[in-house]
Amino acid sequence: TQLLEQSPQFLSIQEGENLTVYCNSSSVFSSLQWYRQEPGEGPVLLVTVVTGGEVKKLKRLTFQFGDARKDSSLHITAAQPGDTGLYLCAADNYGQNFVFGPGTRLSVLP
Amino acid sequence: SAVISQKPSRDICQRGTSLTIQCQVDSQVTMMFWYRQQPGQSLTLIATANQGSEATYESGFVIDKFPISRPNLTFSTLTVSNMSPEDSSIYLCSVSAPGGNTIYFGEGSWLTVV
Repeated sequence: TQLLEQSPQFLSIQEGENLTVYCNSSSVFSSLQWYRQEPGEGPVLLVTVVTGGEVKKLKRLTFQFGDARKDSSLHITAAQPGDTGLYLCAADNYGQNFVFGPGTRLSVLP
Repeated sequence: SAVISQKPSRDICQRGTSLTIQCQVDSQVTMMFWYRQQPGQSLTLIATANQGSEATYESGFVIDKFPISRPNLTFSTLTVSNMSPEDSSIYLCSVSAPGGNTIYFGEGSWLTVV
């Protein structure tokens, strides 16, 4: 069974601080996705990374896929209260299924 | 990305009753999935909804408890049968993007069983 681990599980920071969330596995995946979920809503796709070593930027968010395609990180610069939510990583197991991490619950305080 | 609409968005249900959740997609999609997200938890796949045939259920989920229909490529339903408080969760419909390496979610149906 492929498992995804995320760290930290919870994170509470002040507005303006930087943070990094990690997603790790012992398995190799064909691609990896990051989602943000706000209370009472469905997860919203932020990015899909496919190539080992790939880096994608989305405004203040930077996503990196590990060279071996087993891990990924999400870095947020100058966090804002609107970044608050549950961040989920999910991996595509070569079209067989999607595996979800347990999530990182981020709270950005004004 | 596809636009995925779910109904109801939330409901409070009596113990022992059943509720059917509808999922409508604005385009034809091959793969549709149903997930459950219990309070404070991540997502757990219930089943893959197959068009024209029986759904494929994951370990721990059975058709009698979670019957699924998929009459065409844009619509699916999930029924939560004989509900108990343990069924209080967000139920999410999702579809796979062409190429299959990304899935998109509906806004979810938040069920509370009392």
